[in-house]
Formats: sequence, structure tokens, C-alpha cells
Amino acid sequence: QVQLQQWGAGLLRPSETLSLTCGVYGGSFSDYSWNWIRQPPGKGLEWIGEINHRGSTYYNPSLESRVTISVDTSKNHFSLNLNSVTAADTAVYYCARGSSITIFGLKRNWYFDPWGRGTLVTVSS
Amino acid sequence: DIQMTQSPSSLSASIGDRVNMTCRASQNILTYLNWYQQKPGQAPKLLIYAASRLQSGVPSRFSGSGSETDFTLTISSLQPEDFATYYCQQSYYARAFGQGTKVDLK
Repeated sequence: QVQLQQWGAGLLRPSETLSLTCGVYGGSFSDYSWNWIRQPPGKGLEWIGEINHRGSTYYNPSLESRVTISVDTSKNHFSLNLNSVTAADTAVYYCARGSSITIFGLKRNWYFDPWGRGTLVTVSS
Repeated sequence: DIQMTQSPSSLSASIGDRVNMTCRASQNILTYLNWYQQKPGQAPKLLIYAASRLQSGVPSRFSGSGSETDFTLTISSLQPEDFATYYCQQSYYARAFGQGTKVDLK
């Protein structure tokens, strides 16, 4: 049973860089995508981006200019860096495994399961 | 970008009720649509993937239907543990979630 454990700084000042890491335990690291998703307090979910074991990334266009996701396959870890944070980046940040099935022999449908427990990151001066 | 709109934003129901909620995509996403349940203080949990496929371990009272732009999540008989917020998510282009439907006790 795969488990995701995440860690990183929970309090940042404006303009600093958010850094979080997610460790994958008990399962394969290949054949999946590895995702970051966030949720501002009291609001909905926003997908940030993903990486696979080969290091290929795919980012939310709205965040792409500030986001870097990296992977360390030797440790089964993947990381999120979000630079130039503001109060609007205050959120619970989740890591999640992306799985897929091919539909109609076409592209894959990607869904998220399981998820990490989440890390609250607060940006405040 | 593909916009996902869920309705209603909240609903009140009683134990045993049949509950339906909808998710509409701004363009055709075939069946690239997934549903999640989130309880306060917890991470979301996958319920349905590819519009209608029940995730392993999820009770059979949950079902999903729809294709192209209109999708429905149904709870056939609402149980106490089902009071939560439900999100749809598309993966046809990038990944995006709806804003959620909160189910509470009438």
C-alpha cells in the first residue's frame, strides 16, 4: 500500500520561495505521475503540476512561470518549488500520485490517488 | 483552458435520500472526468474515475454518469459518513477541478 509523506516549511514571507518534498513509500515510482495540488483556506482545489520518473513535467499554465517540480528517483522523492510567493499562495499543499487509464484507445485519463496529508503553508509579513 | 462548473454549490439532504450533483465542462472532455470526496481537515479521496468507474473500496451507493460536457455524481442512499464536499476533476487538457458541492444535513 503506497503512502505519501510530505514535509517543508510552513511559514514564509512575501517574495520567498516555497519548498516542499513528498516521499513515496511502499510502491512503484515509475508508471505514475507525481502531482502537487493546493487548496486555499475555505476554497477549492487547484492543480499545480506533475512530474514523472523520467523528469518530464507538466504545469498549470497559470502558475508555470513560478513553479518547478523535480524528482529524485534514488530516494523516491519529488519536490515543489514556488518562487516569489504572496499571501495569495497561502494554502494547504497536497502531493498526490497520478494514475491513468486509456479511454477509447486515445489519450489517458489521469486521476489522483492516494494523496498526502497536506501541509499548510502560510505567507505573511 | 477548460472550466469546470459544479451545481449546486451546496445542498441539504436527509439520511437515506438519493442525492444528485452535476459537473459541467466548458468544452467536450469525453469521459476524462473524475470525482472526489473531501471531509473537513482531510485530503480528498477518489470515488469515481473515467466518469463512471467506481474506485476499489468505494461503496456501491456512489455512481457516476455522463460524457462530453455534462456529468452527474449520484449517491443512491445518503449515509451519515457521506456528508462532505465533492469535487469533479477533468484531465482532458491539463488538470482542473470544479469548485465543489457541499452536502450537509437537512
